[in-house]
Amino acid sequence: DGGITQSPKYLFRKEGQNVTLSCEQNLNHDAMYWYRQDPGQGLRLIYYSQIVNDFQKGDIAEGYSVSREKKESFPLTVTSAQKNPTAFYLCASSQPGGGSTDTQYFGPGTRLTVL
Amino acid sequence: AQSVTQLGSHVSVSEGALVLLRCNYSSSVPPYLFWYVQYPNQGLQLLLKYTTGATLVKGINGFEAEFKKSETSFHLTKPSAHMSDAAEYFCAVFPRGNQFYFGTGTSLTVIP
Repeated sequence: DGGITQSPKYLFRKEGQNVTLSCEQNLNHDAMYWYRQDPGQGLRLIYYSQIVNDFQKGDIAEGYSVSREKKESFPLTVTSAQKNPTAFYLCASSQPGGGSTDTQYFGPGTRLTVL
Repeated sequence: AQSVTQLGSHVSVSEGALVLLRCNYSSSVPPYLFWYVQYPNQGLQLLLKYTTGATLVKGINGFEAEFKKSETSFHLTKPSAHMSDAAEYFCAVFPRGNQFYFGTGTSLTVIP
């Protein structure tokens, strides 16, 4: 069964701690994305990666870091530098190439709460 | 510059009534267009998409959308609302080879 998994579903963090959110896909997609979702603001792009060992900053990358060492994995670290990290985080993947591809498929999300 | 505007952050319809969720976009190149649905505390699920060809696109759960280039619109419709349609709906554009741009979402309430 192909898809995207994110873990954990709920995550609690104390202020000043770094935390890493997991995203794994078995769709064999080259591109992966991290979004942050806040009420009334839609989805905002944090980082994206078009290929292994390469990634680019999105619109709100400050306070976040990523790695892309394997095609199927794109973990997101929320650092203590992120001022307001409480949000719902969504991971997505796509296969660039036009036409029926270039569609983003989403994982179930991780809700991060800073205590 | 690319942008997506969803008119109406909240829409309420009666069960059995027409659903119309509006989406307008601006893009420097002909984009691909998408509608996604999100249920509480879940990820986004693809409803339908337009890439090329027929401008009326049919999706899952009885939804459809029409691409109108002259109006730069991609409104989502469903003839008869069902209680299970209550969710958040997002319009998105993909200007070919670039990143996705999402609207701020429309929350649909279905009144019994």
